[in-house]
Amino acid sequence: QVQLQQWGAGLLKPSETLSLTCAVYGGSLSGYYWNWIRQPPGKGLEWIGDSNQSGSTNYNPSLKSRVTISVDTSKNQFSLKLSSLTAADTAVYYCARGWVRGVLDAFDIWGQGTMVTVSS
Amino acid sequence: SSELTQDPAVSVALGQTVRITCQGDSLRSYYANWYQQKPGQAPVNVIYGKNNRPSGTPDRFSGSSSGNTASLTITGAQAEDEADYYCGSRDSSGYHVFGTGTKVTVL
Repeated sequence: QVQLQQWGAGLLKPSETLSLTCAVYGGSLSGYYWNWIRQPPGKGLEWIGDSNQSGSTNYNPSLKSRVTISVDTSKNQFSLKLSSLTAADTAVYYCARGWVRGVLDAFDIWGQGTMVTVSS
Repeated sequence: SSELTQDPAVSVALGQTVRITCQGDSLRSYYANWYQQKPGQAPVNVIYGKNNRPSGTPDRFSGSSSGNTASLTITGAQAEDEADYYCGSRDSSGYHVFGTGTKVTVL
């Protein structure tokens, strides 16, 4: 059974860079899209971006200038960097596996979430 | 801001039927998926592609779609179905987007 285990710093200051990593256990990076999704406290879900195994990425246009998603196939991991943080970036960050089959797609496996707080 | 709109909250009596809707122009072109999120937990996919249930999703959950509206129906709601529900699809540019979320209370 595939599991995602994520980690990273939980308290950051404004202007700093968020860095999170998600390890994939029990499965391969191949054939899927690897996503980051966030949820501010008490609010809804926001898709940040994704990458495939080859490193081809897609980003939410509202965050594109600050986001980098990368894949490390040797470690079966993928990572998120979000720069120039502000308080508005405070949220629970989730990694998630995405699949696509023709016109169908979904996020079927999620990490446990990491609460990131941006505060001076 | 989300391009998929959901009612903020609905309630249902135990054992009764509730329908949650998700509206957006992009739903004329893309299927909606549905995610259930319980407090303090990661979301779980319960319906994908209009009306397909991942393994593990009870058959009391079903999906449908018409025009710019997708719906999730829970037939015979159980106490454990109390949760937030989010639709997910694509926006007009093809990027992933989530609905505003619906809190379901089982009375």
